[in-house]
Amino acid sequence: QVQMLQSGAEVKKPGSSVKVSCKTSNGTFSSYTVSWVRQAPGQGLEWMGRIVPIIAVTNYAQKFQGRVTIIADRSTSTAYMELTSLRFEDTAVYYCASGLIEGGNTLDNWGQGTLVTVSS
Amino acid sequence: DIVMTQSPLSLPVSPGEPASISCRSSQSLLHNNGFNYLDWYLQKPGQSPQLLISLASNRASGVPDRFSGSGSGTDFTLKISRVEAEDVGVYYCMQARQTPLTFGGGTKLEIK
Repeated sequence: QVQMLQSGAEVKKPGSSVKVSCKTSNGTFSSYTVSWVRQAPGQGLEWMGRIVPIIAVTNYAQKFQGRVTIIADRSTSTAYMELTSLRFEDTAVYYCASGLIEGGNTLDNWGQGTLVTVSS
Repeated sequence: DIVMTQSPLSLPVSPGEPASISCRSSQSLLHNNGFNYLDWYLQKPGQSPQLLISLASNRASGVPDRFSGSGSGTDFTLKISRVEAEDVGVYYCMQARQTPLTFGGGTKLEIK
């Protein structure tokens, strides 16, 4: 089964940026899409965007357009999500989730989550 | 964007009893290939979400057969035939028909 290991918790100041990594293993990175989903404290799930690593195509939710960048390093099977101009309301757990390209947009496997705290 | 609406918000259930969660989408999730692009996820306390059901009715690997999904178009249902203690958590539906992917608000299942 594909495993996804995310980088550790971060504390950032408003206006700064954060970059979260997600390394996949036990699977062929090129066969998957990688999405990023966030969850604010006590709230539901919010899809931010995704990348298809084999063709490096990205889709972003309108809400995050211009502030989020998702990239993939096929040599290390690692995806990255960078969020800029951080605000207090960006405090959340950020998850990466993968799915087979031919599986549509289903998110089969999830990382353990990375807590990003925005605090002055 | 497709809006997903779940009900109920909270679902207290006694062990061994059935449970049912409803999910409605603002647009049809039926593709012209015949598949409904609706997934169900469970987030157990303190854990990451996990896939339960894809394409409205296909159980993911390792998911007990007491879980079943049904529905088509804009109306979908997740049923648990006999609730067990390990089923507690928040259940989310998600439309996988188009990006941006969107989730329902969640249904919290608790044991009475």
